[in-house]
Amino acid sequence: EPEVTQTPSHQVTQMGQEVILRCVPISNHLYFYWYRQILGQKVEFLVSFYNNEISEKSEIFDDQFSVERPDGSNFTLKIRSTKLEDSAMYFCASSEGLSSNQPQHFGDGTRLSIL
Amino acid sequence: GESVGLHLPTLSVQEGDNSIINCAYSNSASDYFIWYKQESGKGPQFIIDIRSNMDKRQGQRVTVLLNKTVKHLSLQIAATQPGDSAVYFCAANQAGTALIFGKGTTLSVSS
Repeated sequence: EPEVTQTPSHQVTQMGQEVILRCVPISNHLYFYWYRQILGQKVEFLVSFYNNEISEKSEIFDDQFSVERPDGSNFTLKIRSTKLEDSAMYFCASSEGLSSNQPQHFGDGTRLSIL
Repeated sequence: GESVGLHLPTLSVQEGDNSIINCAYSNSASDYFIWYKQESGKGPQFIIDIRSNMDKRQGQRVTVLLNKTVKHLSLQIAATQPGDSAVYFCAANQAGTALIFGKGTTLSVSS
């Protein structure tokens, strides 16, 4: 069964550094998403991406964050000037088709630890 | 905005019992609802979804019920197995907007 893959599984970074989290969505999917989950809390939406542009973003997704689809398979989340509170699990998800209501399929996440 | 909440943070059942996990949402305009299962160290795994034009949908050993009148959603798991032990999240959205997740319910199945 096709799945969303994320790398790395764990990223440790010094505060103030930039990180890039990588995702390979399911190949025939057209909508891509990033979510984060702080330890013990619920999953929070960051951004959705369709047709090479951001379609929706949350208040969390400020100028510190950016997303890119650099080629036909990868979808990346860049976090600049990382802060301690950016420590969380970051999940990528994708969904198929142009219909708004399709299930989003998640990767297993990248655990980001900011020191 | 939408808020989604689980009724119970934990649920403990015996193997073979039926489990019911409940969820409430606030936005009456929400038209899509989805349940995810999250095991330790893994991402949310899609279980079942339902659109607002339906009241019930069944999958393999799982049933989702939607009561739009009281804005309530439930997930029923038949013949619960130890492998069902996980955190369960409900999520909702409106017309393809961001999924809003509730806090999870941790299901523990003892044999």
